[in-house]
Amino acid sequence: DAKTTQPPSMDCAEGRAANLPCNHSTISGNEYVYWYRQIHSQGPQYIIHGLKNNETNEMASLIITEDRKSSTLILPHATLRDTAVYYCIVRVGAGGTSYGKLTFGQGTILTVHP
Amino acid sequence: EPEVTQTPSHQVTQMGQEVILRCVPISNHLYFYWYRQILGQKVEFLVSFYNNEISEKSEIFDDQFSVERPDGSNFTLKIRSTKLEDSAMYFCASRVRLAANNEQFFGPGTRLTVL
Repeated sequence: DAKTTQPPSMDCAEGRAANLPCNHSTISGNEYVYWYRQIHSQGPQYIIHGLKNNETNEMASLIITEDRKSSTLILPHATLRDTAVYYCIVRVGAGGTSYGKLTFGQGTILTVHP
Repeated sequence: EPEVTQTPSHQVTQMGQEVILRCVPISNHLYFYWYRQILGQKVEFLVSFYNNEISEKSEIFDDQFSVERPDGSNFTLKIRSTKLEDSAMYFCASRVRLAANNEQFFGPGTRLTVL
C-alpha cells in the first residue's frame, strides 16, 4: 500500500470548513484513498473513500487531485464532535494479496474550537 | 443501525494469564479483523479472518495469539500467556465483502491491562 503523509495537527473554528490534506505521491492506479477517523479512544470510523473522482456523502467531501498524488478531506461545517484523529489510508480496493487490512499512520489530530 | 460489539470493555489480567476477547460482528458480514492500539501509538493490524480461517496476519500475531469463530456469531481473540507489552486497546472490525465500496466497521474496543 502506498505511503501517505499528513500534518500532525490542525485547528478549526466551529461552524467553519475543516480541510485536511493528505499526500500520497506513490499511489498506483488501482489504489483507493480512504479516510477514517478516531474519536478519543473509540474504534476508528469510516468517513469516505474515492478512486479519482471527487466524492461527497453525508459526513464529508473528498477532493482528489487530477494526478491523484494528493487529496483533501473537507468537513463542511465542523462541530466540536468532529474533534478526532483523521487517517488517510491508501490501499487497493479489493483482491490482490491483501484481505482488506487497513494500515494506519499517525493521522492528523483535528481540534475544533468553539 | 447494526454495529460491532465487543466484550468486555476493560479486562485486567496478570502477566502469564490467558485472556479471551470477544466480538460480535455485524450479522451478514463475512470478513473479520483484529487490530490493536498501544496507548499513544497508532492502530496496528493483527489478523484477518475469512471462511473460518486466517487469511492474513501481521508479525505481531505470533504463536501466543489465536482467533476463532466458534458459533457463527462470535469472533474471539485469545492471548495464551499475556505479557506486559500486550496492554493495549483491541479493536474488532468486520466488513460484508471485499470490495472497494465496502468499509470496515469497528467495535468500541476492549482495553486490556496486563499487570
